Amino acid sequence: SQQGEEDPQALSIQEGENATMNCSYKTSINNLQWYRQNSGRGLVHLILIRSNEREKHSGRLRVTLDTSKKSSSLLITASRAADTASYFCATDGTYNFNKFYFGSGTKLNVKP
Amino acid sequence: GAVVSQHPSRVICKSGTSVKIECRSLDFQATTMFWYRQFPKKSLMLMATSNEGSKATYEQGVEKDKFLINHASLTLSTLTVTSAHPEDSSFYICSASDQEGKLFFGSGTQLSVL
Repeated sequence: SQQGEEDPQALSIQEGENATMNCSYKTSINNLQWYRQNSGRGLVHLILIRSNEREKHSGRLRVTLDTSKKSSSLLITASRAADTASYFCATDGTYNFNKFYFGSGTKLNVKP
Repeated sequence: GAVVSQHPSRVICKSGTSVKIECRSLDFQATTMFWYRQFPKKSLMLMATSNEGSKATYEQGVEKDKFLINHASLTLSTLTVTSAHPEDSSFYICSASDQEGKLFFGSGTQLSVL
């Protein structure tokens, strides 16, 4: 990817379980964003977290950011079959504010 | 959130022809839009930054003469794939950012060059 890597590349869980995806990036950032993409579709914005924030919540989503390790995690609690999608993190750079590069993505499959 | 509209959603063309893809911000003004390319089961690769009223900024390795970008107004950016070849077949997605810096994406265009 242009900026970083995500792991795992693929994750398969049962409905009701929690899903955790990790994102690592290469350069210092201003913002990090998480997106969801259903197959063959555009991307849906989930959460934006700024470099001075450590944790953010939105419904069943929890995002953490560790700038010292250049990593972020996305936790989806009580997963549903409808959460099945690919999840990407995107980061900008200190000198490229608003210009985002994407990680390699995690393909999540939630089995009913 | 902001709405970004992209057309067409799918296009099939013959090798050697040019294809234009439109990206519109429907409910906000976008001085900057971004064009991405995505290969099957892969991540998004930033191709270029489209700036209203000025030339686009291309990422390293992206041919500016192959992928022409025009940002004629605060709500419209176009990507023209010139003299398309089968290797240009891909999923192209545009995005625009709001004042907070959140990126909003169009629904993408699947280009197939025969």
